[in-house]
Amino acid sequence: DAGVTQSPTHLIKTRGQHVTLRCSPISGHKSVSWYQQVLGQGPQFIFQYYEKEERGRGNFPDRFSARQFPNYSSELNVNALLLGDSALYLCASSLTGDVSIEAFFGQGTRLTVV
Amino acid sequence: TQLLEQSPQFLSIQEGENLTVYCNSSSVFSSLQWYRQEPGEGPVLLVTVVTGGEVKKLKRLTFQFGDARKDSSLHITAAQPGDTGLYLCAGPLSGGYNKLIFGAGTRLAVHP
Repeated sequence: DAGVTQSPTHLIKTRGQHVTLRCSPISGHKSVSWYQQVLGQGPQFIFQYYEKEERGRGNFPDRFSARQFPNYSSELNVNALLLGDSALYLCASSLTGDVSIEAFFGQGTRLTVV
Repeated sequence: TQLLEQSPQFLSIQEGENLTVYCNSSSVFSSLQWYRQEPGEGPVLLVTVVTGGEVKKLKRLTFQFGDARKDSSLHITAAQPGDTGLYLCAGPLSGGYNKLIFGAGTRLAVHP
């Protein structure tokens, strides 16, 4: 069975550019969450979507946005990239949005902003 | 503000040694999770502890949830090189839904 898949795996962008990261959840999972992991730190919550609706947003600027599609895949968009946006972006999928349900993480997209 | 502090930040030991890593908070959590993350990979869930005072064992790994549900520990017996990785604790953010707050992690290196 396919796990959570994220694309691309690595990306290099220039300051001021825009980036779109993609996530396909495990088949049957309806919830997708996005996390940012800066080098040397734990993942930090960005967004959660369940049944195509935003159910939670972390403390990130409006340059960050996301959406979930009818097939439950998701995109994370970041505008006007800053050097500080360089990080590993992780997508986690779960059956429902309930915190007691195990979330499965993808391998992440490594974004480098130069 | 809910925060999780992990200690130590780094741990370098020889194969066969025992170790304990800690996860502490001033806030009460309904549950805490432990993950292991290897370079270039996403975190993988090891265990979820739910009840204050709970102890769970996973082969050579023993997890404990504090009585007050504000802290947790992970003890590894007879560490092996395969245990090398970043150990993260995480708890649910207030407000429900599957959004977690993570500690900064303990980076463990086990040398043969």
